[in-house]
Amino acid sequence: SYVLTQPPSVSVAPGKTARITCGGNNIGSKSVHWYQQKPGQAPVLVIYYDSDRPSGIPERFSGSNSGNTATLTISRVEAGDEADYYCQVWDSSSDPHVVFGGGTKLTVL
Amino acid sequence: QVQLVESGGGVVQPGGSLRLSCAASGFTFSSYGMHWVRQAPGKGLEWVAFIRYDGSNKYYADSVKGRFTISRDNSKNTLYLQMNSLRAEDTAVYYCANSPGELPMDYWGQGTLVTVSS
Repeated sequence: SYVLTQPPSVSVAPGKTARITCGGNNIGSKSVHWYQQKPGQAPVLVIYYDSDRPSGIPERFSGSNSGNTATLTISRVEAGDEADYYCQVWDSSSDPHVVFGGGTKLTVL
Repeated sequence: QVQLVESGGGVVQPGGSLRLSCAASGFTFSSYGMHWVRQAPGKGLEWVAFIRYDGSNKYYADSVKGRFTISRDNSKNTLYLQMNSLRAEDTAVYYCANSPGELPMDYWGQGTLVTVSS
């Protein structure tokens, strides 16, 4: 089955840029969605179809997807961005299903 | 505004059954696909099941196939998850989420906790 690989943790200083990767075999051929989850809260969609932002999500959040890696980029990181981030794809095989990455804990130093 | 409210969680013994509900409002429920996603304590997100807007297709994670059944009642704006033969490893917070197609999951409920323990 399809596997998405994320780094367990990423640390960044306030005001800097954080990049969270999501690796998968030829993931560039799939649509990748990203979710933010803060402690004790439900996940929130922050990027969909590789690089689109839902309304209400700051422009500081952006996404890209090519080859074997999709990337969520958070510019000018703020303390409030500290959260777990998950990538996700739809695996449209003979047995369609949703695949989540293992999640990345973003720590703002 | 979109609201998804899960209910039906609780403590159940191994081998037991439970039915979760997800009451939807603030959007045209009958036009959206719906997912169940779970999160074991301290772990990541795990997709459980999906049902198309009209109930025509249902898909399941291998870990629950044959034990869980997803269904919906568009006249009641409600999504369900019937969980049978529950195991300790099914212990998790269960979220429902809506989707304009298969993905993305636009909105999520706050979740309901299922604990499988003797």
